[in-house]
Amino acid sequence: GEQVEQRPPHLSVREGDSAFIICTYTDSATAYFYWYKQEPGAGLQLLMSVFSNVDRKEEQGLTVLLNKKDKRLSLNLTAAHPGDSAVYFCAVRDPTGGNNKLTFGQGTVLSVIP
Amino acid sequence: NAGVIQTPRHKVTGKGQEATLWCEPISGHSAVFWYRQTIVQGLEFLTYFRNQAPIDDSGMPKERFSAQMPNQSHSTLKIQSTQPQDSAVYLCASSLVDRNSDYTFGSGTRLLVI
Repeated sequence: GEQVEQRPPHLSVREGDSAFIICTYTDSATAYFYWYKQEPGAGLQLLMSVFSNVDRKEEQGLTVLLNKKDKRLSLNLTAAHPGDSAVYFCAVRDPTGGNNKLTFGQGTVLSVIP
Repeated sequence: NAGVIQTPRHKVTGKGQEATLWCEPISGHSAVFWYRQTIVQGLEFLTYFRNQAPIDDSGMPKERFSAQMPNQSHSTLKIQSTQPQDSAVYLCASSLVDRNSDYTFGSGTRLLVI
């Protein structure tokens, strides 16, 4: 089945700097990609979803890049602030017909230092 | 829109007891998912309902775990004879059925088996 690797597991940046997280996946048929943010004691908040016909998507200080050839998905968080401190997960949707389950990366704990 | 509602938020149960976790999906969402989150295993898919019918339970431990969706407004995850290794955060998510719909996650139920 699909496998998703995410790195780094921990990331510490200073306020105003960028934070870059990368995921690789294994199934070239995968078509739907997601980035989630999880704050302590909370569920998963969707940051951005990307379909496979998109190489780059930017929203509100976040940039998602999708490299289908290398099966790589990245999230760049520009001008980080302390409120961005959380755990970030990438996820891909199962490409097989009829099944919508997500496979998640292991998560990145982001700390933004004031 | 109150989002996906999970109850209880926290549950402590003794080893060998039964635990029932509840999920109320967003009204109109016909797809409901259960995931388990632990430090060691990360986010793991458990089971998926579509229009109340079980579609994929490949992630459910074969013994002691069961899930139902008796009506479109709630789903339950039941764990019989709980064990310490069942301690985790159990997350419920819902979405529209079509494949390019985004998931909405609940805040989760934190289960502690002592």
